[in-house]
Amino acid sequence: DTGVSQDPRHKITKRGQNVTFRCDPISEHNRLYWYRQTLGQGPEFLTYFQNEAQLEKSRLLSDRFSAERPKGSFSTLEIQRTEQGDSAMYLCAGRGAESGQYYEQYFGPGTRLTVT
Amino acid sequence: AQSVTQLDSQVPVFEEAPVELRCNYSSSVSVYLFWYVQYPNQGLQLLLKYLSGSTLVKGINGFEAEFNKSQTSFHLRKPSVHISDTAEYFCAKGGATNKLIFGTGTLLAVQP
Repeated sequence: DTGVSQDPRHKITKRGQNVTFRCDPISEHNRLYWYRQTLGQGPEFLTYFQNEAQLEKSRLLSDRFSAERPKGSFSTLEIQRTEQGDSAMYLCAGRGAESGQYYEQYFGPGTRLTVT
Repeated sequence: AQSVTQLDSQVPVFEEAPVELRCNYSSSVSVYLFWYVQYPNQGLQLLLKYLSGSTLVKGINGFEAEFNKSQTSFHLRKPSVHISDTAEYFCAKGGATNKLIFGTGTLLAVQP
């Protein structure tokens, strides 16, 4: 158990609906990352936060996607007007700032999104 | 562009046999390499990492990997696999921001 939790674990939604996912890292994780994993592929980077600041966004993150990390603790990822191509596993990872943890990312169990 | 290549999409192996999962990465100034394991419908668990120092890295569950700078490889090995090792294995490279670039994964299928 990495201590990183994600909610919900599964989400089924209809095309055009909005969905929001939540990630709770452990308190030592000052950096938080979001990845998307489609079937048969490795995770792809979406965005990351250092504390509450969003420092980088991938080109994969279209205008329909928005992420926040208020107060530098939990984070949310919202997808507006979902499309079938958004169906994937959304993974969150935390990374600590302390020596020895500086480069390791600890993943949550993921949220599997199915858009019908 | 940064990349990680896992040429084998699936590796079948009999229980108690040795296994090697191959990973090649694009060269860069700073190289941080990782192997993660993913069981069905779960997140990724870190097996081992290479940041610097000794090129032979030992991880959990009896796995080890060797960093080879000249061949830009970071192959994962285990001398004797168990049924419980059946899972998807991902090689990943970290960069300046430490966002991870993943390979496409290798399914290790251990047969009795």
